[in-house]
Amino acid sequence: DTEVTQTPKHLVMGMTNKKSLKCEQHMGHRAMYWYKQKAKKPPELMFVYSYEKLSINESVPSRFSPECPNSSLLNLHLHALQPEDSALYLCASSQENSRAALYPDTQYFGPGTRLTVL
Amino acid sequence: GEDVEQSLFLSVREGDSSVINCTYTDSSSTYLYWYKQEPGAGLQLLTYIFSNMDMKQDQRLTVLLNKKDKHLSLRIADTQTGDSAIYFCAEIVHNDMRFGAGTRLTVKP
Repeated sequence: DTEVTQTPKHLVMGMTNKKSLKCEQHMGHRAMYWYKQKAKKPPELMFVYSYEKLSINESVPSRFSPECPNSSLLNLHLHALQPEDSALYLCASSQENSRAALYPDTQYFGPGTRLTVL
Repeated sequence: GEDVEQSLFLSVREGDSSVINCTYTDSSSTYLYWYKQEPGAGLQLLTYIFSNMDMKQDQRLTVLLNKKDKHLSLRIADTQTGDSAIYFCAEIVHNDMRFGAGTRLTVKP
């Protein structure tokens, strides 16, 4: 199984809502990533988890709160988002290697959650 | 600050070679990556090169690195219609990953 799954596929939320994005992989990967990609723009790395610990936080606002409850799951909790946070949110996983999780040899990406904030 | 730069568009005929170029920002970048994104699809890590290498070949893909000019290129041999996609280069500097704007490759039959 070389699949990374993300739920939901689409999410529409108001600025006062609290919602969560979920990502799951069963490849035994110990590094997991969140990226944000706005329309017609390149991806932006948000967070990197290594062995369930947050290793990289790319100065992301606190209204985005990641969580890695176990080695297969990665969540992104959303609260008080702004319309400019509307984007495609991509999750990825990779095998840990001798370097840090930021330098993957391979990465497997999920299809993304398309988020619209009204 | 400086941006990772890529040409926005490239069009080639099927069977030709494609060369996608990238200029990165920091000579201390340790790893440089190429990602592919097909329309409506997720991202795919294609290949990467470590900064102490000049070239890396992986089947139809050849990555060339010129550290002096901070120039990275991706050559796709025998380009196929399935190679039509947006290609992003990315550098990693001091735990920060920076992507270029992406080059849209169109392959004409």
